[in-house]
Amino acid sequence: NAGVTQTPKFQVLKTGQSMTLQCAQDMNHNSMYWYRQDPGMGLRLIYYSASEGTTDKGEVPNGYNVSRLNKREFSLRLESAAPSQTSVYFCASTLQGRAYEQYFGPGTRLTVT
Amino acid sequence: RKEVEQDPGPFNVPEGATVAFNCTYSNSASQSFFWYRQDCRKEPKLLMSVYSSGNEDGRFTAQLNRASQYISLLIRDSKLSDSATYLCVVNSNSGNTPLVFGKGTRLSVIA
Repeated sequence: NAGVTQTPKFQVLKTGQSMTLQCAQDMNHNSMYWYRQDPGMGLRLIYYSASEGTTDKGEVPNGYNVSRLNKREFSLRLESAAPSQTSVYFCASTLQGRAYEQYFGPGTRLTVT
Repeated sequence: RKEVEQDPGPFNVPEGATVAFNCTYSNSASQSFFWYRQDCRKEPKLLMSVYSSGNEDGRFTAQLNRASQYISLLIRDSKLSDSATYLCVVNSNSGNTPLVFGKGTRLSVIA
């Protein structure tokens, strides 16, 4: 039981490049989330998916797209990376009705130069 | 006013000390409150929920004061392994943000 996994762990992009961050959970959770964490800013919600087939914007969705591929997988795409997107990205998941108990993946450290 | 505010610290305390953190929240309609712990360069993990009546888990005690809109976390007999950042988390029940995380309070327990 791996919990929440994220790939890649580290990534360096040039401005304008695109990439997809992958997230998968094997806990049969319904809801999944993408956060970014910046020094001094705390965790901020980018997008979330309350259940398979639905996605909603969070606090900071601009510059990102998401896909809830199936119940297990929730990907985050940067179409045209910008230096302001340099951050640590965390994926999380929860059981339905237990949104407070979020299980986080280990994070992806992204640098955009 | 930010939705969830915490003193960033750092709080540097000797082993065995008692330390307390407070967190204030702005949305009086908030329903649920939690503390998460985040170790350096790791992911956050749920530490404990905060109930209206207060709750205790070993050396950790969490309390809620709805009238003043703050929650607290008390750690007794601090251990080196308690060194981490403690995140105050509120379920705001508003808009598209299921949980609102504070920026965290950094604790360093010193031998």
